[in-house]
Amino acid sequence: KAGVTQTPRYLIKTRGQQVTLSCSPISGHRSVSWYQQTPGQGLQFLFEYFSETQRNKGNFPGRFSGRQFSNSRSEMNVSTLELGDSALYLCASSLRAHIGNEKLFFGSGTQLSVL
Amino acid sequence: GIQVEQSPPDLILQEGANSTLRCNFSDSVNNLQWFHQNPWGQLINLFYIPSGTKQNGRLSATTVATERYSLLYISSSQTTDSGVYFCAGQTTGGFKTIFGAGTRLFVKA
Repeated sequence: KAGVTQTPRYLIKTRGQQVTLSCSPISGHRSVSWYQQTPGQGLQFLFEYFSETQRNKGNFPGRFSGRQFSNSRSEMNVSTLELGDSALYLCASSLRAHIGNEKLFFGSGTQLSVL
Repeated sequence: GIQVEQSPPDLILQEGANSTLRCNFSDSVNNLQWFHQNPWGQLINLFYIPSGTKQNGRLSATTVATERYSLLYISSSQTTDSGVYFCAGQTTGGFKTIFGAGTRLFVKA
């Protein structure tokens, strides 16, 4: 079974631009969550989607948004990029069929550099 | 508040040594998991352990949910065990995952 796939692996943007990152979950997994990892703040939760519905959102400005499609694939978008948005963005999938299936599987991440 | 705290922050071991990593979590966190992040950034799920004890080869984990802590044991450490170990929990009914700050492990040959 294929793992969680994130594209692209690396991305370089300039301030003010926008970026879209993609995440394909493990087949059969319906929950996708996104995280930002920086040396200063560690791993921080961005948002979680299940069956195309956002069920929770972390403490990030409105420039960070996401969506999930009917095939469970997810995208996240960051508009008006700032230097501080440079980070490793990780996505994880889980079954979340019911409360007991919460084990998370992560993709390799997208390393975003904002210049 | 919602907290997940790990100790120690850094650990240096000689190959072959054993170690214990600790994770304390607050009342509003459950469904503990342990991850290993390798030098290339890949996060691997080691254990999903809301309570009880599990073992996988040289690694084992124990969560005592009533006392709000979890332990990860690494026995006979190898250089490939180096990296950062994270514990994470999910907020009760909130579908949000909170990570600890991690324990950075370096195993010397």
